[in-house]
Amino acid sequence: EVQLLESGGGLVQPGGSLRLSCAASGFTFSNYAMTWVRQAPGKGLEWVSTIRGSSTYYADSVKGRFTISRDNSKNTLYLQMNSLRAEDTAVYYCASPPGSGYVVPHDWGQGTLVAVSS
Amino acid sequence: QTVVTQEPSFSVSPGGTVTLTCGLSSGSVSTSYYPSWYQQTPGQSPRTLIYSTNTRSSGVPDRFSGSILGNKAALTITGAQADDESDYYCVLYMGSGIWVFGGGTKLTVL
Repeated sequence: EVQLLESGGGLVQPGGSLRLSCAASGFTFSNYAMTWVRQAPGKGLEWVSTIRGSSTYYADSVKGRFTISRDNSKNTLYLQMNSLRAEDTAVYYCASPPGSGYVVPHDWGQGTLVAVSS
Repeated sequence: QTVVTQEPSFSVSPGGTVTLTCGLSSGSVSTSYYPSWYQQTPGQSPRTLIYSTNTRSSGVPDRFSGSILGNKAALTITGAQADDESDYYCVLYMGSGIWVFGGGTKLTVL
């Protein structure tokens, strides 16, 4: 059974930094693309970033400020968030695809809340 | 920038059939966009219903189906039940590693 457990969320001031983690189990993590999706309070889902092999992809809204990475030895996905803004306030979900040949988000973690406020 | 469009809200009677759509502000949706559909209730993580146009996720009842209808992706729910009342989101692959979610449809069953 796929399990994804996010951590690292919290309250941070505008301009600050935070690193989210996602511990994965139940599948061969190193073979899978991984994705971060966020959801602002009362709003819809927003794709944030995907890592596939050595390639990384970002939404325009976070490009240059966020960095996705992974440690396959620890089965863990990361999202380094710098220069945070109020509009980055959201629940951040990590997601894995349905198989190693896919990228689309399929299995989801429970999410971690990031609040950017002074 | 291309926007993914969904009906903001929809209503269906218990036992009825409803089709939610996922379109583009410019152009047509095809299987090359790998449309996928998610169900979300308040306070919960999304649940994947359909991926790659019409592949049903494990454990999802067969009354949920995905397709391309005209120039849009579609999610059809047949025999709607009270617990189908949720928010439904689609996502499309735009190429170059980029995915875009639609704004979501709030489905009411009454």
